[in-house]
This record gives sequence, C-alpha cells and structure tokens, in this order.
Amino acid sequence: QKEVEQDPGPLSVPEGAIVSLNCTYSNSAFQYFMWYRQYSRKGPELLMYTYSSGNKEDGRFTAQVDKSSKYISLFIRDSQPSDSATYLCAMSATQAGTALIFGKGTTLSVSS
Amino acid sequence: GAVVSQHPSWVICKSGTSVKIECRSLDFQATTMFWYRQFPKQSLMLMATSNEGSKATYEQGVEKDKFLINHASLTLSTLTVTSAHPEDSSFYICSATPGRGGNEQFFGPGTRLTVL
Repeated sequence: QKEVEQDPGPLSVPEGAIVSLNCTYSNSAFQYFMWYRQYSRKGPELLMYTYSSGNKEDGRFTAQVDKSSKYISLFIRDSQPSDSATYLCAMSATQAGTALIFGKGTTLSVSS
Repeated sequence: GAVVSQHPSWVICKSGTSVKIECRSLDFQATTMFWYRQFPKQSLMLMATSNEGSKATYEQGVEKDKFLINHASLTLSTLTVTSAHPEDSSFYICSATPGRGGNEQFFGPGTRLTVL
C-alpha cells in the first residue's frame, strides 16, 4: 500500500460546480497536510496548509482533515475555468526540514 | 511573500555537457531546500534534501555524483547535472521551507532541461 493515495482523475466539471478532491494515507504519524495546485509546466503553488485535524477555509477553497479516517479533502466552490489544473495533496509527520510525501495528483478540468 | 525563483526556466544542452540550475528564496531564508524531478503527467519525485552548509541527502537511486547539489547560503541552492544525457531530460523543480515552525514548502517555477 502506498503511503498516499490520490485518484488521478481526470475530473471534468461544469463552471460553478462544487469540486471535491480527496487523498487517503496510511501513516498515522502524518500531522501536516497541504494542497498544491500545479498548472501545466509550472511549479506547484501552495493552496492550503493544515496542521492536525479540522477544517480550514480560504475563499472558495476548504480543506478538511480527518485523522481518524486518514482522509483529507479539498473542496472548491463555484469552480472556474481558471481552476483547471492538477491538484496535489502532500503531507509530513514532522516539522520543517523534512520532505513531503505527495499524492500523484488529480487533474481537474472546469468547462465554461 | 514566500517567493522562490529558479534560473534558467528552460535549457537545451548537448549530451556530455554540464548544466547548473539555481534556486533562490527571494523574501525569506530557507533552512532547507528540496530538489524534485517531474516527468510528464507524473507526480513529483524527490531527488535530494539540502540544508545550508551541509552535504545534501540524496534519495535512493539518485546518483549524487551526477546531480551535484550545493546549498551555499540561506537563499541559494544549486543543482548541477553533470555529463548530461538525453535520459536526464526532465522538469526540475526546487522548493524551500522557511523553517519557522511550520512545514510549508514553497516551490520555484521549475526548469525544463532538454539534452540533445
């Protein structure tokens, strides 16, 4: 079993839809959880950063962490064509200086 | 804030030559920088972790004599691909962490290397 599992998609939705992206993980020591957005041929951009369980909201984006289920989610409300990108979940067990474990990424396409 | 730059953004070189890629944290000091490689439509593959003033730690399977990493200051790390071959063609991305307690990593825009 891989440490982090993420459905690669592709996921296609119409503009305005609510998008749900998910990752599961096996290492119960993970405490830091991140979501990155990567446009084609660009470096990943940090969208959300969460420590431990709970929800975090930033504009149209909401990140949820359920450590008991080893499951994290990213919700995108009122999706826009500009949200079309690959979304990567990432996590780590310890603080700064340690490498992140990435999911494979989910490719999202939002049509207008 | 938290901007990371990379230079060059793309490079084409002949087989057998060496290529240096720079990664700079522009508005913060990076105690740790990471180098990744990414193939088309695949996720990031960690190559090495570098801490300022220390030798880099390479992931299993990454040749440290081929991919030379230098982290000379808190804002600059370099990756040199020595004696490049066509199979080294890839997208190389660096990231940096401010090390202020959290573990966010901020990524550079990437460097596309093509070896002819």
